[in-house]
Amino acid sequence: AQSVTQLDSHVSVSEGTPVLLRCNYSSSYSPSLFWYVQHPNKGLQLLLKYTSAATLVKGINGFEAEFKKSETSFHLTKPSAHMSDAAEYFCVVSRGQGNLIFGKGTKLSVKP
Amino acid sequence: GAGVSQSPSNKVTEKGKDVELRCDPISGHTALYWYRQSLGQGLEFLIYFQGNSAPDKSGLPSDRFSAERTGGSVSTLTIQRTQQEDSAVYLCASSRRTDQVTEQYFGPGTRLTVT
Repeated sequence: AQSVTQLDSHVSVSEGTPVLLRCNYSSSYSPSLFWYVQHPNKGLQLLLKYTSAATLVKGINGFEAEFKKSETSFHLTKPSAHMSDAAEYFCVVSRGQGNLIFGKGTKLSVKP
Repeated sequence: GAGVSQSPSNKVTEKGKDVELRCDPISGHTALYWYRQSLGQGLEFLIYFQGNSAPDKSGLPSDRFSAERTGGSVSTLTIQRTQQEDSAVYLCASSRRTDQVTEQYFGPGTRLTVT
């Protein structure tokens, strides 16, 4: 069975400082993993996806994530936070047939 | 091009009434998904359609929930005899395929409030 655990429900950073949103996964086979972002009152948008081609995945808006099989992790990072990054972020694993299993979400706050 | 659209954006209904929520997927996408986002349960898969195959209804929480997809395009999610616990944001997504790696594109959602 597949599952994801987002280790922090809320992360707060200052503008210009690095962002780290943590995600651990559980999968009985090689997983496909995604990070989605949801801005207030807006739909979910794909940030990046891992599909076994490369362990370091670059996404939109300067975000990237590294797949670490030994640690069963897929943490999302960004070198320098921007005010517009404030949103809720979801780590997602695909359960085959395209069904997605979402983590509980991490709310990112960015302080000026 | 146009993204996934959903209507209505907001719906308030009385307990016990039936509601219909509509989803227009991206043109050419063969797969369509419904999810529910609520405070207590997070984001949950409800049902998906792939082409003319029988839908996967494994996520529907009760037999009060049903969905149809007409002509391989528009989908309607129906909730009969609504209950307060049905209050949530209902999200629709579509994708080109249903394999593990294909990105799903989400609509803005319908916020359902049952009073």
